[in-house]
Amino acid sequence: QVKLVESGGGVVQPGQSMTLSCAASGFTFSSYVMNWFRQAPGKGLEWVAVVWFDGSKEYYADSVKGRFTISRDNSKNTVYLQMNSLKTDDTAVYYCARNRIADSWGQGTLVIVSS
Amino acid sequence: EIVLTQTPLSSPVTLGQPASISCRSSQSLVHSDGNTYLTWLHQRPGQPPRPLIFKVSYRLPGVPDRFSGSGAGTDFTLKISRVEAEDLGVYYCMQAAQFPLTFGGGTKVEIK
Repeated sequence: QVKLVESGGGVVQPGQSMTLSCAASGFTFSSYVMNWFRQAPGKGLEWVAVVWFDGSKEYYADSVKGRFTISRDNSKNTVYLQMNSLKTDDTAVYYCARNRIADSWGQGTLVIVSS
Repeated sequence: EIVLTQTPLSSPVTLGQPASISCRSSQSLVHSDGNTYLTWLHQRPGQPPRPLIFKVSYRLPGVPDRFSGSGAGTDFTLKISRVEAEDLGVYYCMQAAQFPLTFGGGTKVEIK
C-alpha cells in the first residue's frame, strides 16, 4: 500500500536551515508529482511546494519562495524540502502528499522555529 | 490565487443525521485538461488529513459511501448521509486547478 514517511523535523533557531525528507513506498514514485504542505499549530492547511515527476518543474507558495527548495531523487523514492532562513512563522507540521490531488499523505514531521 | 470559502464554520450534528458542507471558489476549478480539481479532506485532532473525495465526486478507496461530493464550476458540496462518531473533526476543501493549491478555511463537524 502507499506509504509516505516524513523525517528531519525538530527545533531550530530563526535564520537557520533544515532539510526535510519524505520516503515513499508502495507505488511507482517517478510517475507522480509530489507536494509538501504544512499546518501551523491550531491553524488550517497550507500548500508549500510541488515538484514534477522528473524534477523538471517546481512551484512554491509566495510565503516560502526564495527560501525553500523542493527536490526529489527518484532512485531513492524520496522527496526533499530544503528550508533556509527559517522564521518563527514557519513553525508547523510538514506533510508530504502524493499527486496533484493530494490523494495520500504522510504522518507529518514537526518543525519548531524558536530562539 | 483561488480563494475557497467554506460554510458553515461549524456544523453541530446529531449522530445518524445528515450533514452538508459548502465550498465556493473565487474562480472556476475546471482545468485546461477538462477535469475539475476539487478535493475534500477530513482531519481528526492529532491526525494527518485524510483525503475523501477527488475531482468533485470520486471517492477514494476505503471511503464509506455515506460520503458524496457534488457540484460544478465554482460551487461544491460534501454530504454525509448519516453522520457516525468517526466522522467528527474538521473538513477541508482543496483546489488543485492551478498553483498555488489552496484550501478552504475548514468546517468543524461536532456533536450537537
